[in-house]
Amino acid sequence: QVQLVESGGGVVQPGGSLRLSCAASGFTFSYYDMHWVRQAPGKGLEWVAYIRYDGTTKYYADSVNGRLTISRDNSKNTLSLQIDSLRAEDSAVYYCAKEPLERLYSWYFDFWGQGTLVTVSS
Amino acid sequence: EIVLTQSPGTLSLSPGERASLSCRASHLVNNYYLAWYQQKPGQAPRLLIYGASSRATGIPDRFSGSGSGADFTLTISRLEPEDFAVYYCQQYSRSPATFGGGTKVEIK
Repeated sequence: QVQLVESGGGVVQPGGSLRLSCAASGFTFSYYDMHWVRQAPGKGLEWVAYIRYDGTTKYYADSVNGRLTISRDNSKNTLSLQIDSLRAEDSAVYYCAKEPLERLYSWYFDFWGQGTLVTVSS
Repeated sequence: EIVLTQSPGTLSLSPGERASLSCRASHLVNNYYLAWYQQKPGQAPRLLIYGASSRATGIPDRFSGSGSGADFTLTISRLEPEDFAVYYCQQYSRSPATFGGGTKVEIK
């Protein structure tokens, strides 16, 4: 069955960097567009990044101001998110999420990982 | 950006009752590109409805979605104990994809 397992979260100081990973299994990873969605503690969901199935197209939320870089390694079935210049408002659970349609973007999410918590604090 | 407003913020109901959750968009959502998710504490969201009214795989038929344009509804026909959770709508008609603020369905 589909599994998405995030890792890499933790406590980081303001201005620091972090690299999150999402290990995918149970489906042909290279066929599906993928996303990162975050949720601040006690708050709602916020989409932050998208990558096409072949890695050729990427989009980011305006709110992240160029500080995020999404990437994927289809040979290792892994999705990544590099977050630079971390701010307190980046504190959230970060989820990787899969789209439902092969090689066709739909921008809704049929499977989500359990998330990894990022806390930005001095 | 399309802003989604969910109401009510909290819905207090008893098991067996009917729940109606509203999601209103600041601009038209084209092609019924509206999804609903359920989230329980400490868990990831789960897809319930896509295309405004299509149930995702494995979702019980007590969950139904309706609406078009800028006005959408999620209905749970008879609440089961496991349905008490937070529900989010999401539009994918226009980039960026956006979510509503959520409706909490709690036990009365």
